[in-house]
Amino acid sequence: GAGVSQSPSNKVTEKGKDVELRCDPISGHTALYWYRQRLGQGLEFLIYFQGNSAPDKSGLPSDRFSAERTGESVSTLTIQRTQQEDSAVYLCASSFVRAVVGNTIYFGEGSWLTVV
Amino acid sequence: QKEVEQNSGPLSVPEGAIASLNCTYSDRGSQSFFWYRQYSGKSPELIMFIYSNGDKEDGRFTAQLNKASQYVSLLIRDSQPSDSATYLCAGDSGGGADGLTFGKGTHLIIQP
Repeated sequence: GAGVSQSPSNKVTEKGKDVELRCDPISGHTALYWYRQRLGQGLEFLIYFQGNSAPDKSGLPSDRFSAERTGESVSTLTIQRTQQEDSAVYLCASSFVRAVVGNTIYFGEGSWLTVV
Repeated sequence: QKEVEQNSGPLSVPEGAIASLNCTYSDRGSQSFFWYRQYSGKSPELIMFIYSNGDKEDGRFTAQLNKASQYVSLLIRDSQPSDSATYLCAGDSGGGADGLTFGKGTHLIIQP
């Protein structure tokens, strides 16, 4: 597609429920990233996928968070047993390769999650 | 722990003046640095990237990189009210594999 596409754009869920967030990267981009941004805060790295390599999960805040990506296509971020502190916008980004000289990452519009 | 530090602001600049945004980073292995602009409620959008010491100009924007001092800056000339946003500085991880490390952003306000 023309840009990084994320769905849902907004999600309100009850505490304790599971949620799935979807990201469709720019066509041809091999690298895919998930970031979290709480209200008024900076971007927090969650997970990174590069092609068929094992993902870098070093940023996932707890075992309630997981993500999958099949090949170089769509990725799903799953949050189990949601807590109120999970409320944030979840931003997906993609790039041709891992961010190296001149290769920039492009963000989707985000999935705004509110846990009540 | 890789860190990118920015003054959160708000930084208030009169319309038409030069806005100067600064950023320092801790990881000497970082090679490329990026400036993103984020309007309230929107996702970040790329303004510029820089990887060589010195200045890089693009229209009203100039990025500056000093690897010896580990700082990056963004200058916005002839500031416009539409430049009011949060500006995020980010550095890559050099030999690592965790994408970009972002600062918390500087909130810029251009006063008409």
